[in-house]
Amino acid sequence: GAGVSQTPSNKVTEKGKYVELRCDPISGHTALYWYRQSLGQGPEFLIYFQGTGAADDSGLPNDRFFAVRPEGSVSTLKIQRTERGDSAVYLCASSLRRGPYEQYFGPGTRLTVT
Amino acid sequence: ELKVEQNPLFLSMQEGKNYTIYCNYSTTSDRLYWYRQDPGKSLESLFVLLSNGAVKQEGRLMASLDTKARLSTLHITAAVHDLSATYFCAVDTYSGGGADGLTFGKGTHLIIQP
Repeated sequence: GAGVSQTPSNKVTEKGKYVELRCDPISGHTALYWYRQSLGQGPEFLIYFQGTGAADDSGLPNDRFFAVRPEGSVSTLKIQRTERGDSAVYLCASSLRRGPYEQYFGPGTRLTVT
Repeated sequence: ELKVEQNPLFLSMQEGKNYTIYCNYSTTSDRLYWYRQDPGKSLESLFVLLSNGAVKQEGRLMASLDTKARLSTLHITAAVHDLSATYFCAVDTYSGGGADGLTFGKGTHLIIQP
């Protein structure tokens, strides 16, 4: 595709529910990143994939958060037992590969936990 | 813990004026990125600075990097209303053993008034 795409664009869920957020990176980009942006803040790094493997998940806040990239392209961020504090915009970015390459960001998924 | 500090956080200026946004960071890095974000939108890459002394210019914006001072600047020349947005700097510390993701500042919310 022309750019990074994310679905859904908006997700409203009740506290305690499970949600999945999808990211489709730029074709040919092997590096994929997830970030979370709270209102009025800069994005915070969550997890990085090189190919199919999660090379760095140091930013995941707790074990309710999990992400996969089974075929090295599309990635899914999964949040179990959602809490109101999980409400934020979840951004996905991709780059050609790890290294001094700019990251291209998707439009984000706005998650609201009620 | 890596800290990335931007100042000012809020800036209101008149069209035609010049101004500089500063980005200080607390650890060794030779990779710094500037992004622009419009309200409700995702991040747009502006500049990638990869070495000490790097300077890049695009239109009315110019960015520079001083790795010894751990400082980057984004200079706006003869501001126009279309440049109103939030500007983020982000530091990449992977080469120094840091996390794979970027660490962002809080952003500078720039309003340019006619």
